[in-house]
Amino acid sequence: EDQVTQSPEALRLQEGESSSLNCSYTVSGLRGLFWYRQDPGKGPEFLFTLYSAGEEKEKERLKATLTKKESFLHITAPKPEDSATYLCAVQAIQGGSEKLVFGKGTKLTVNP
Amino acid sequence: DGGITQSPKYLFRKEGQNVTLSCEQNLNHDAMYWYRQDPGQGLRLIYYSQIVNDFQKGDIAEGYSVSREKKESFPLTVTSAQKNPTAFYLCASSIMAGSGRETQYFGPGTRLLVL
Repeated sequence: EDQVTQSPEALRLQEGESSSLNCSYTVSGLRGLFWYRQDPGKGPEFLFTLYSAGEEKEKERLKATLTKKESFLHITAPKPEDSATYLCAVQAIQGGSEKLVFGKGTKLTVNP
Repeated sequence: DGGITQSPKYLFRKEGQNVTLSCEQNLNHDAMYWYRQDPGQGLRLIYYSQIVNDFQKGDIAEGYSVSREKKESFPLTVTSAQKNPTAFYLCASSIMAGSGRETQYFGPGTRLLVL
């Protein structure tokens, strides 16, 4: 069964304290891995798509990387406005059709 | 501005009542999706549609129904058969399903509460 596991469930950082969020996956045929940011009471906001091992994408203080078994979202010198829940999803083939399988998310809190 | 709109933001359902959640997109996307989000769980797929007048069940379709009469619109009806409807409902769209490389973009969500 295709699975996506995100860790940690919650992470508290001080402003400027860099860290990484993990997304490990087991899928029969990875077509793509997606990172989203979700603020409380709002819909997920697209951040990155990664397609193959070794690929990296950057946006401001965020950098996403991909290996054959996991992805990392690195946050460099975070600010309080980076506080949100970060969702990871993999696109896989299930039952003959493609679908997104989501992890439960990592809730990030950045204290000033 | 192009985007996805969902209405209402909050919806209250009485026992035995059917309610309909609206989702509209002006991105000219072919595929549209409905997800349910519960605390502590990942997003779960309810229904999806790759083309007008066609849709498929997702993982948790029981108690829900959809229609896709227009490319821009994909309303979700929560029927009285759905015994635990309280959740945050998210609509998404992508350029084309099945290409293997499309990104899904999400609307702002509708929170459904049971009275």
